[in-house]
Amino acid sequence: NAGVTQTPKFQVLKTGQSMTLQCAQDMNHEYMSWYRQDPGMGLRLIHYSVGAGITDQGEVPNGYNVSRSTTEDFPLRLLSAAPSQTSVYFCASRRDREYYEQYFGPGTRLTVT
Amino acid sequence: AQKVTQAQTEISVVEKEDVTLDCVYETRDTTYYLFWYKQPPSGELVFLIRRNSFDEQNEISGRYSWNFQKSTSSFNFTITASQVVDSAVYFCALSDSTGNQFYFGTGTSLTVIP
Repeated sequence: NAGVTQTPKFQVLKTGQSMTLQCAQDMNHEYMSWYRQDPGMGLRLIHYSVGAGITDQGEVPNGYNVSRSTTEDFPLRLLSAAPSQTSVYFCASRRDREYYEQYFGPGTRLTVT
Repeated sequence: AQKVTQAQTEISVVEKEDVTLDCVYETRDTTYYLFWYKQPPSGELVFLIRRNSFDEQNEISGRYSWNFQKSTSSFNFTITASQVVDSAVYFCALSDSTGNQFYFGTGTSLTVIP
């Protein structure tokens, strides 16, 4: 199993550009989440999904869209990037409602200039 | 509101010393879960432990131990006989009963000096 994979590893965007951060898992996990990690602020939940076709907002959803058309994939879309979205983004998955251990991807470092 | 506080931003210890990382949480839920994660310099996050709010038993796993006290809303993590490989940022986290909403502390950066 590859676990949770994220692409790209690094990305530089200009303000106003759009892009999609990719996340995939091959463990057949129901739950997937996106977090951002900023210096001095820990990780904050952006969006999460409890299964294909079901998504919900976390603590800091503004400026981000998600969809979950398959169990394996959970892309995060930035429609119009802003410098405040400069961060390291982590995708995570967990097996199901009863199982709380989360598996994290390696992260994507995004810089918006 | 849910909140996790890790007051220790950075800690340095000499190898073989014991070190305790503090975690204090706030929640109005009666059912909740507490976690510790390790983030080594390579950047990935590694799950260490989960505790539910109904289980106040302390846990020991090798050199790691955890002390959960509901009376003080704390879930502290002790590393005994620290090693250089323990150098990392450690995060405490809290989730609600559904496990859907996670709240992380700001992390404690531990440096173990050889």
